[in-house]
Amino acid sequence: KNQVEQSPQSLIILEGKNCTLQCNYTVSPFSNLRWYKQDTGRGPVSLTIMTFSENTKSNGRYTATLDADTKQSSLHITASQLSDSASYICVVSAANQAGTALIFGKGTTLSVSS
Amino acid sequence: DTGVSQDPRHKITKRGQNVTFRCDPISEHNRLYWYRQTLGQGPEFLTYFQNEAQLEKSRLLSDRFSAERPKGSFSTLEIQRTEQGDSAMYLCASSSAGTFNEQFFGPGTRLTVL
Repeated sequence: KNQVEQSPQSLIILEGKNCTLQCNYTVSPFSNLRWYKQDTGRGPVSLTIMTFSENTKSNGRYTATLDADTKQSSLHITASQLSDSASYICVVSAANQAGTALIFGKGTTLSVSS
Repeated sequence: DTGVSQDPRHKITKRGQNVTFRCDPISEHNRLYWYRQTLGQGPEFLTYFQNEAQLEKSRLLSDRFSAERPKGSFSTLEIQRTEQGDSAMYLCASSSAGTFNEQFFGPGTRLTVL
């Protein structure tokens, strides 16, 4: 069964600190992995997309890693800001499909406090 | 702003009433998706259109739900005889038929059924 599991479920950090969110998946055949940021009451916004051949991709203070062998990904946030408070969702796309191509994790809720 | 708009942003209705939501995708995108998201969960796939054709429906989409995309542009999602369990955020996303099938999400419609 295609599944995406994220940890931790929630996280509280102080402004300026770094943090790492984890994503494990069992999706086959794998196409790509995405991290989305979802502010409360808003739709998800894409941060990064990685194919199986990419090990790391950065978007400003966000750096995603992918280990296709162990089927793990991480999202590292550097020098956190209050605006980073949101839910971060790991999404894995299965190849050769369209409508049900995206398998969503439940997300990690990040709270950045001052 | 991703370029995908949804209307209304919030809807409160009484149990048993019918509701209709609208989604306007990015104009050049031929694929349109509907998702449902409940608190603390990732989005769950409901249905998918390519142009005006509805190509896939989730088993979550009961016969009280109907979606249309009459001219291959905007889409509507109607829920008949609403139930309290229908309370959720309804997200629309659109994409082009590219390699990554990157989906851009709208802000969502928050439905509350009293």
